[in-house]
Amino acid sequence: KNEVEQSPQNLTAQEGEFITINCSYSVGISALHWLQQHPGGGIVSLFMLSSGKKKHGRLIATINIQEKHSSLHITASHPRDSAVYICGVRGAQKLVFGQGTRLTINP
Amino acid sequence: DSGVTQTPKHLITATGQRVTLRCSPRSGDLSVYWYQQSLDQGLQFLIQYYNGEERAKGNILERFSAQQFPDLHSELNLSSLELGDSALYFCASSTGVDLGTDTQYFGPGTRLTVL
Repeated sequence: KNEVEQSPQNLTAQEGEFITINCSYSVGISALHWLQQHPGGGIVSLFMLSSGKKKHGRLIATINIQEKHSSLHITASHPRDSAVYICGVRGAQKLVFGQGTRLTINP
Repeated sequence: DSGVTQTPKHLITATGQRVTLRCSPRSGDLSVYWYQQSLDQGLQFLIQYYNGEERAKGNILERFSAQQFPDLHSELNLSSLELGDSALYFCASSTGVDLGTDTQYFGPGTRLTVL
């Protein structure tokens, strides 16, 4: 079993829908990262969190340390949100990433 | 534009060869990270340097090495290349010393193709 599991692997939705991407991990962590990778390949860091919730525009990230689970939510989704979203965790002297969730938002 | 630069953008080489990838971090960032992203393995952390010193090692092969120079740019050296080394290689930088505990800024990546 991978240390970081994301679900779903692929997600297709219509513009305007509320999107949730999940990340579960099996190790103790000190930080969790959400990254966005656009079709061109570039990677942008969306959030780094160690507890609670963070919001940036239409994006919200939450983490539950006890349940070893994080969610990334997108409100009022838009075709420009189409990308691969990658969850990564900082465990004991290592950084481990999930396989990514490919999100497609249709107009 | 993240402020992190990587050269070259693309590199095509043959098995058994050696290549060097270069990264310049954002102004003021002392930490540099190297990552490998392949289709089957996803994003993998290779190594972190902070102000010239190695800080953390991930899944970096013995055929690979890296260093960070006094001007803070970093190089990743890949030797005895194999077909399986074909991947995107990303560099990222951040301000902090502790592995993965602050926001990282990613470069555009170098696409390596080994034929």
